[in-house]
Amino acid sequence: GAGVSQSPRYKVAKRGQDVALRCDPISGHVSLFWYQQALGQGPEFLTYFQNEAQLDKSGLPSDRFFAERPEGSVSTLKIQRTQQEDSAVYLCASSLLTAGSNQPQHFGDGTRLSIL
Amino acid sequence: QKEVEQNSGPLSVPEGAIASLNCTYSDRVSQSFFWYRQYSGKSPELIMSIYSNGDKEDGRFTAQLNKASQYVSLLIRDSQPSDSATYLCAVNMGSSNTGKLIFGQGTTLQVKP
Repeated sequence: GAGVSQSPRYKVAKRGQDVALRCDPISGHVSLFWYQQALGQGPEFLTYFQNEAQLDKSGLPSDRFFAERPEGSVSTLKIQRTQQEDSAVYLCASSLLTAGSNQPQHFGDGTRLSIL
Repeated sequence: QKEVEQNSGPLSVPEGAIASLNCTYSDRVSQSFFWYRQYSGKSPELIMSIYSNGDKEDGRFTAQLNKASQYVSLLIRDSQPSDSATYLCAVNMGSSNTGKLIFGQGTTLQVKP
């Protein structure tokens, strides 16, 4: 596609439920990033993939958060046993080359997650 | 001290004026710097990138980088009401080898007709 596509756009879940958020990056982009954006704040890094390899997961807030990109294209961010503090916008970004190339990142529209 | 700091604003300027947005960062060896514009409920949109000291101009936008002062700014000339948005400064810290961006909290710009 022309841009980074994320689904669903909105997700409402009850506390304790598991959720899965999908990201379809720009075709051919090697690098994929997940960020979490709280209201009124800038995005915060969660995890980074280079193709199918998850090279950095230092930003994942707890072991309830899990991300995968099994074929080096589409990625899924899964949150288990959701808590109210997980409510945020989850942004996916991709860039053409590997991280060291200083390529700019292009963002999807995000998934707005609300935990009741 | 936050790694990337911005004044949250709001910064209010009249239409046609120059808007000046500022950002400071803590990691002296940071290598690349980006400005993103984010409209309410929308994704961050890249508007400028800058990698070396000095000025970089693109249309009405000018990014300025001073690595010695650890300071990056964005100037918007002839501001338009459509420029009203939150502007995010993002830095690729030199200490990171994964390309992750560290964002400031964003500055809200209001351009009044």
